[in-house]
Amino acid sequence: GQNIDQPTEMTATEGAIVQINCTYQTSGFNGLFWYQQHAGEAPTFLSYNVLDGLEEKGRFSSFLSRSKGYSYLLLKELQMKDSASYLCASPPPYNQGGKLIFGQGTELSVKP
Amino acid sequence: DTGVSQDPRHKITKRGQNVTFRCDPISEHNRLYWYRQTLGQGPEFLTYFQNEAQLEKSRLLSDRFSAERPKGSFSTLEIQRTEQGDSAMYLCASSLQGRAVGSGELFFGEGSRLTVL
Repeated sequence: GQNIDQPTEMTATEGAIVQINCTYQTSGFNGLFWYQQHAGEAPTFLSYNVLDGLEEKGRFSSFLSRSKGYSYLLLKELQMKDSASYLCASPPPYNQGGKLIFGQGTELSVKP
Repeated sequence: DTGVSQDPRHKITKRGQNVTFRCDPISEHNRLYWYRQTLGQGPEFLTYFQNEAQLEKSRLLSDRFSAERPKGSFSTLEIQRTEQGDSAMYLCASSLQGRAVGSGELFFGEGSRLTVL
């Protein structure tokens, strides 16, 4: 298995910053993805990290540390519409066929 | 092209019946994936195709499940003799092999929700 681990749920306040962590198995690593999924909707791609460091895209940033098998998704200036499940995903070791293995998702609730 | 489409969006069936779901991927995508998702969990990989060839099936996929992609375009997922444990959202995704940006980003459909009574 891929052993992708992330918290089950988090709560944050509108306008605040929240960090969602993800740990994964490092052997054969080939990239780390974050997806957003609103209730009843399809997962949508947020970010992809393959090198160490921070990738910023507007209010969302994603960080990767390959040596630690660790990533986080940072959401700034939270809005109510950011309430969703955030899925951490990675290809299996040595990227067999392009499939992704997903964590269980972190259900984020943004409160006023 | 409006993205990955799935049909039907919702299906309610009685235990023991057969059901079939259809997925139309993004037209230029050569890879197509089926996932299953239950409440509070991330998507679980079931199977994937590259063009018309089914290259991998998960051990989760019992012999009651079969998937096809006959012409390398749309795909069908059939579940025979449904059981209550099959109740889930069945998600289809597609990707373009070799795409540089995102290196394998999957584009998901809205899913087909199955309820087995």
